[in-house]
Amino acid sequence: EAGVTQFPSHSVIEKGQTVTLRCDPISGHDNLYWYRRVMGKEIKFLLHFVKESKQDESGMPNNRFLAERTGGTYSTLKVQPAELEDSGVYFCASSHGTPPEAFFGQGTRLTVV
Amino acid sequence: AQSVTQPDIHITVSEGASLELRCNYSYGATPYLFWYVQSPGQGLQLLLKYFSGDTLVQGIKGFEAEFKRSQSSFNLRKPSVHWSDAAEYFCAVGPHQAGTALIFGKGTTLSVSS
Repeated sequence: EAGVTQFPSHSVIEKGQTVTLRCDPISGHDNLYWYRRVMGKEIKFLLHFVKESKQDESGMPNNRFLAERTGGTYSTLKVQPAELEDSGVYFCASSHGTPPEAFFGQGTRLTVV
Repeated sequence: AQSVTQPDIHITVSEGASLELRCNYSYGATPYLFWYVQSPGQGLQLLLKYFSGDTLVQGIKGFEAEFKRSQSSFNLRKPSVHWSDAAEYFCAVGPHQAGTALIFGKGTTLSVSS
């Protein structure tokens, strides 16, 4: 069984540019989460999808971040325009059922210069 | 407020020595508890989890953790550390409600000396 896959693994962009991160969850997992770790800080929740619907987006930092989950399958997280403070590692996780065991991808390291 | 505290930012242990990584949580109810590990260049891998039952849980790679409700702790242990255990370790808590996000500690970086 394939795990959670994230693309790209690394991205270096200039301030003001746009970047789109992609996450492919484990097949059949209805719950999909995005988390972010800024250097030196804890991993923090960004948002949660149940199938294609946003269940909780309370962790999204601001309206420069847009997340979508087309057809309840893969998800994208777009940052537009990127700022220096957006640098960090973005993790995606998926889960299904109870107890809620989350499986994480390898993360996308985003560097904004 | 809900939170997870990992008091040790960085620990160095000699290969073959025992290891204990501390984790304390503040939570309104009995949570689900997790330990994840991130090796260099890798994603977050689940080491072990506690949902209910026996408070001493066994995980992968020879790790175990003990849930102590009275101390709000979930410390991770390993009797003999291997050089390949060098990584960053994260404690996390989550509610019993399905599909709700995890709260992570800041992580503990483990270095293993020969």
